[in-house]
Amino acid sequence: DQQVKQNSPSLSVQEGRISILNCDYTNSMFDYFLWYKKYPAEGPTFLISISSIKDKNEDGRFTVFLNKSAKHLSLHIVPSQPGDSAVYFCAARISNFGNEKLTFGTGTRLTIIP
Amino acid sequence: DGGITQSPKYLFRKEGQNVTLSCEQNLNHDAMYWYRQDPGQGLRLIYYSQIVNDFQKGDIAEGYSVSREKKESFPLTVTSAQKNPTAFYLCASSKWGGDQETQYFGPGTRLLVL
Repeated sequence: DQQVKQNSPSLSVQEGRISILNCDYTNSMFDYFLWYKKYPAEGPTFLISISSIKDKNEDGRFTVFLNKSAKHLSLHIVPSQPGDSAVYFCAARISNFGNEKLTFGTGTRLTIIP
Repeated sequence: DGGITQSPKYLFRKEGQNVTLSCEQNLNHDAMYWYRQDPGQGLRLIYYSQIVNDFQKGDIAEGYSVSREKKESFPLTVTSAQKNPTAFYLCASSKWGGDQETQYFGPGTRLLVL
């Protein structure tokens, strides 16, 4: 049972335009969400996160939006740069004290076209 | 430099052999985790440990074992009982407790079966 879903396995975007990566979840107990970026043969690196008490969090070119009623979050990258080409994973967590378990989506491969 | 190191980068296993993957962190994090990534899939949790001398099974613990004798180290043994061990293995660590702690990942170990 995939509790965190990234339904687009791949996405291509022109350099300079906006990239929008989507993530849906089914477990309403999730209350903290993260996005990770991963290059081939490397570990994921943390990008940005959002708590369920917010609907938006912004960090430079990266903005994450959370729609709790739709159980949907999205990552916006603007403007997109060639170095953004990577696989992006969304992850979710239930904030039970001491329990840091993350549930990951299957990833979306983003390709930025120069 | 603070970080997470995993060794070796590539590891080969023969049939019936146990192999151990190393994970060390100098971030003074309490919690450590092992994930497995297969092509086209997200990261799946194998084992996690929140304090020294304690660990819990994740979603796919069968065929794996871990130990946590030191805060800095969380080795993973892939036993001969794991029938499909070929995968990319990722170790992560985080602070324990708190609402918004992030997991940080090592560079990964690719395990191949001969």
